[in-house]
Amino acid sequence: QKEVEQDPGPLSVPEGAIVSLNCTYSNSAFQYFMWYRQYSRKGPELLMYTYSSGNKEDGRFTAQVDKSSKYISLFIRDSQPSDSATYLCAMSHTNAGGTSYGKLTFGQGTILTVHP
Amino acid sequence: EAQVTQNPRYLITVTGKKLTVTCSQNMNHEYMSWYRQDPGLGLRQIYYSMNVEVTDKGDVPEGYKVSRKEKRNFPLILESPSPNQTSLYFCASSSRPGREQFFGPGTRLTVL
Repeated sequence: QKEVEQDPGPLSVPEGAIVSLNCTYSNSAFQYFMWYRQYSRKGPELLMYTYSSGNKEDGRFTAQVDKSSKYISLFIRDSQPSDSATYLCAMSHTNAGGTSYGKLTFGQGTILTVHP
Repeated sequence: EAQVTQNPRYLITVTGKKLTVTCSQNMNHEYMSWYRQDPGLGLRQIYYSMNVEVTDKGDVPEGYKVSRKEKRNFPLILESPSPNQTSLYFCASSSRPGREQFFGPGTRLTVL
């Protein structure tokens, strides 16, 4: 079983729709949760990161973490054609002193297409 | 401009011919890492480095070598490439490695 599982999609939605992207994980030691966006032929770029359970909002994007269920989500409101990309969840954990191990574990990525 | 650069961007080679992919960052980041990206498998970490002369294995280190002699550079070495190393490779750097990482543009490698 993979440590991080992500709905592979692909996902195709009309402009203006609310998009929900999800990942589940099995390693309860994960403490940092990130979402990266990757446009075609580009490297991933960080969209959002969260440390604790709950919601974090940034414009049209909301990251949600439920540590008890080992489940994270990214919601995109009022989706735009420019949101068309691959979205990757990523996770990492720290040692007892809070220092990151530096090892990121990614989900498989979800390809999103927002059509006008 | 803050960036991570990789060279070459595209490479076609043959089995067994040693190659090096260079990675350089201008952000004075201590942490650097190499990933490979394959369809259906996402990004998998090959090696990472927390500082100069400090490197550690990621999830898929077999067949790869790295070195970190300078803070800004982190080359990936394939001593004897094989076709199963055909992939898209990304280098990344960070000042806070467990959180945001800045990725390079990628190197598409084909091993025949």
